[in-house]
Amino acid sequence: KAGVTQTPRYLIKTRGQQVTLSCSPISGHRSVSWYQQTPGQGLQFLFEYFSETQRNKGNFPGRFSGRQFSNSRSEMNVSTLELGDSALYLCASSEGQGAGQPQHFGDGTRLSIL
Amino acid sequence: AQSVSQHNHHVILSEAASLELGCNYSYGGTVNLFWYVQYPGQHLQLLLKYFSGDPLVKGIKGFEAEFIKSKFSFNLRKPSVQWSDTAEYFCAVSFSGGYNKLIFGAGTRLAVHP
Repeated sequence: KAGVTQTPRYLIKTRGQQVTLSCSPISGHRSVSWYQQTPGQGLQFLFEYFSETQRNKGNFPGRFSGRQFSNSRSEMNVSTLELGDSALYLCASSEGQGAGQPQHFGDGTRLSIL
Repeated sequence: AQSVSQHNHHVILSEAASLELGCNYSYGGTVNLFWYVQYPGQHLQLLLKYFSGDPLVKGIKGFEAEFIKSKFSFNLRKPSVQWSDTAEYFCAVSFSGGYNKLIFGAGTRLAVHP
């Protein structure tokens, strides 16, 4: 099975712009979660989607949003980019509906804000 | 608030030395516990997980972890490390009602010298 695929791998934007990141989960996985990884804050949960519904949301401003499509692919969007949004954004997928499923991570999208 | 703490940020060992990485969490309810590893240039991979049952769990590559509920701890151990174990190790916890939301520790960078 192919792993979790995230596109693009690298992205450079300027302050005030918006960006959309994409994640294709492992085939058959219906849960997709997003995390932000920075040297200062570590790995922080953004949100989780299951069957196109957001099940949980982390403590991030409303500029961060996401969605999931019927084929389980997910996108996250960040509007009005700030310098502090520079980070590695990781997507993870898992199989079932129950809590605490092992998650499989992609390689991430590295976003740099100039 | 729920949190996870890892005691050591950097650990340096020689090959064949024993390893123990500490992890504590703050939450009084039901938890699922994970250790993830990130090798240089690779994505996060699951080392092992604890959901219920035997508190001593064995993972891949000779790693094991022990869940001690009374101490809110889930320490990672390996009797004899190899150079190839050089990586960053993350403890993560999901909490009841949190679906697949993972709270990560800050990570421990392990360097193993030949």
